[in-house]
Amino acid sequence: DIQLTQSPSFLSASAGDRVTITCRASQGTNNYLAWYQQKPGKAPKLLIYAASTLQSGVPSRFSGSGSGTEFTLRISSLQPEDSATYYCQQLNTYPWTFGQGTKVEIK
Amino acid sequence: QVQLVESGGDVVQPGRSLRLSCAASGFTFSSYGMHWVRQAPGKGLDWVALISYDGSSKYYTDSVKGRFTISRDNSKNTLYLNMNSLRAEDTAVYYCAMSQGYLPHWGQGTLVTVSS
Repeated sequence: DIQLTQSPSFLSASAGDRVTITCRASQGTNNYLAWYQQKPGKAPKLLIYAASTLQSGVPSRFSGSGSGTEFTLRISSLQPEDSATYYCQQLNTYPWTFGQGTKVEIK
Repeated sequence: QVQLVESGGDVVQPGRSLRLSCAASGFTFSSYGMHWVRQAPGKGLDWVALISYDGSSKYYTDSVKGRFTISRDNSKNTLYLNMNSLRAEDTAVYYCAMSQGYLPHWGQGTLVTVSS
């Protein structure tokens, strides 16, 4: 199975800050990597797919990059509504797997 | 718009069985693969199973192989997850999700609690 390790597990930042979350895969994913946002009590929401493609309707302050085994989710200017847990997911090999999550708190 | 509504979650004893359903609307159900993803209380997301658009292909995570069965009825626009030999570690919110290569549409989830 492909293991995904996210860092950090928790981050606290101020509104307007630039935030970066990293996802490292134990083997290559052919860029079949997605990022999701999940708020408490809600289903996950797809933000980014194919490592860097912004899902329709997602604000442009979110961006994804990376290739091979290292991927990044960036929020260019953190907003209060971005307080959530973020997960990466690989869709290259079954079983699909998720990272352990990164909780983002707004100071 | 796409709607996915899960049902069937309950409190069950270890070793018992349960069937979850996911009613789909707002898209051509028979054209898309469907997934189950679960989330234990306070934990991260855990992919469970996939069924192809026509039901001919199925994939499972190792921890549920031989115990869980994913199926679908395209005439009823409904996805199922039959869960046998339930364990405490199966306690989770179970989400169904529509596949477009990725998972852009999710249901609201249904809670399964396995406890004696």
